[in-house]
Amino acid sequence: AQTVTQSQPEMSVQEAETVTLSCTYDTSESDYYLFWYKQPPSRQMILVIRQEAYKQQNATENRFSVNFQKAAKSFSLKISDSQLGDAAMYFCAYRSANTGTASKLTFGTGTRLQVTL
Amino acid sequence: DAEITQSPRHKITETGRQVTLACHQTWNHNNMFWYRQDLGHGLRLIHYSYGVQDTNKGEVSDGYSVSRSNTEDLPLTLESAASSQTSVYFCASSATGYGYTFGSGTRLTVV
Repeated sequence: AQTVTQSQPEMSVQEAETVTLSCTYDTSESDYYLFWYKQPPSRQMILVIRQEAYKQQNATENRFSVNFQKAAKSFSLKISDSQLGDAAMYFCAYRSANTGTASKLTFGTGTRLQVTL
Repeated sequence: DAEITQSPRHKITETGRQVTLACHQTWNHNNMFWYRQDLGHGLRLIHYSYGVQDTNKGEVSDGYSVSRSNTEDLPLTLESAASSQTSVYFCASSATGYGYTFGSGTRLTVV
């Protein structure tokens, strides 16, 4: 079974600075998807960024980018120019591309990000 | 606009009672899921369905059941609520090969 590990329960960053959230995963599969979700105090789960394992290029969405290291099974999220609205719980998640189990997401335990002035 | 809705948003129930949490989506997605969120555990899969009449157990399915009689709905039933089932419950849906759309969650307290 796949597992996702987020080793940083809490992180703090100053406004306008850059922060990196770590995620590692364990899988024997070669084709899969990785995601970062943001959960603000409203409790809504918001997709931040998605990476396909077969793509070597790291995904980027505005101030959010990932460092995907397939051999190391590492998938970190970098937030640049941090804003107060980035304060939230962040979850890393894995999904197989195998059609038999394609849709199940496996989540890490989350990292709570605090943004300070 | 298509959406996924959960109800109620908050619920308090007594130990031993049967409780049903509703999930309704208008995306016409085949795949639907129930997760529970607990501090230190992230989101854990309870049950899921890949289509009408299809249901499957997730990693924490004991004490829960689901049924899928149409595409839009996947209600989650707690047969006999226990304090260990106090949690936030999320419903999600997806089309095969795409990302998830989540509901806004139900906070359930069992007293």
